[in-house]
Amino acid sequence: AQSVTQLDSQVPVFEEAPVELRCNYSSSVSVYLFWYVQYPNQGLQLLLKYLSGSTLVKGINGFEAEFNKSQTSFHLRKPSVHISDTAEYFCAAFRQGGSEKLVFGKGTKLTVNP
Amino acid sequence: SAVISQKPSRDICQRGTSLTIQCQVDSQVTMMFWYRQQPGQSLTLIATANQGSEATYESGFVIDKFPISRPNLTFSTLTVSNMSPEDSSIYLCSVRRENTGELFFGEGSRLTVL
Repeated sequence: AQSVTQLDSQVPVFEEAPVELRCNYSSSVSVYLFWYVQYPNQGLQLLLKYLSGSTLVKGINGFEAEFNKSQTSFHLRKPSVHISDTAEYFCAAFRQGGSEKLVFGKGTKLTVNP
Repeated sequence: SAVISQKPSRDICQRGTSLTIQCQVDSQVTMMFWYRQQPGQSLTLIATANQGSEATYESGFVIDKFPISRPNLTFSTLTVSNMSPEDSSIYLCSVRRENTGELFFGEGSRLTVL
């Protein structure tokens, strides 16, 4: 069965510092990978996605993620965070060619402090 | 992308009552999904709603508690029946891009049961 693990439940950082939110997936077949962001009192918004091609994926708001097949990871990074990046971030995976549901990780709460 | 509208955006309800949440999509879609997000938790799929057939429920969710309607290809409703405080959650409607599994979400309906 497919699963997604977000290794950190909470990540506090200072403004303008770099940040990495970690995500590992388990699947015996190829997957599509996603990062979603949920700002306070809002729904989920797609941040970026990996479907195929370049392993470095750029998303909105200056975020990027790197797909590493050998390590089954899809870590999210931003070189310099802003207060407005404070949100919950969810990693998700979908099995290629399958009709299974999108599997979400438990989420990482990013708090950016001044 | 798809634009998804949910109503109500939030509500406070009394124990034992029922609430129906509406979801409207700006394009025709085959499947619509209903998720629950309990406080501080990740997303849990409640059911998949197909037009013209019974909804498919995930383990732990039953039709009597969460009846779903799907009268056409752009609209669905989820009812939370006989509510208890444990039903206090955000309920999210979503649709999926078929070939990649990418989900688009509504803003969510924040339900508080007293």
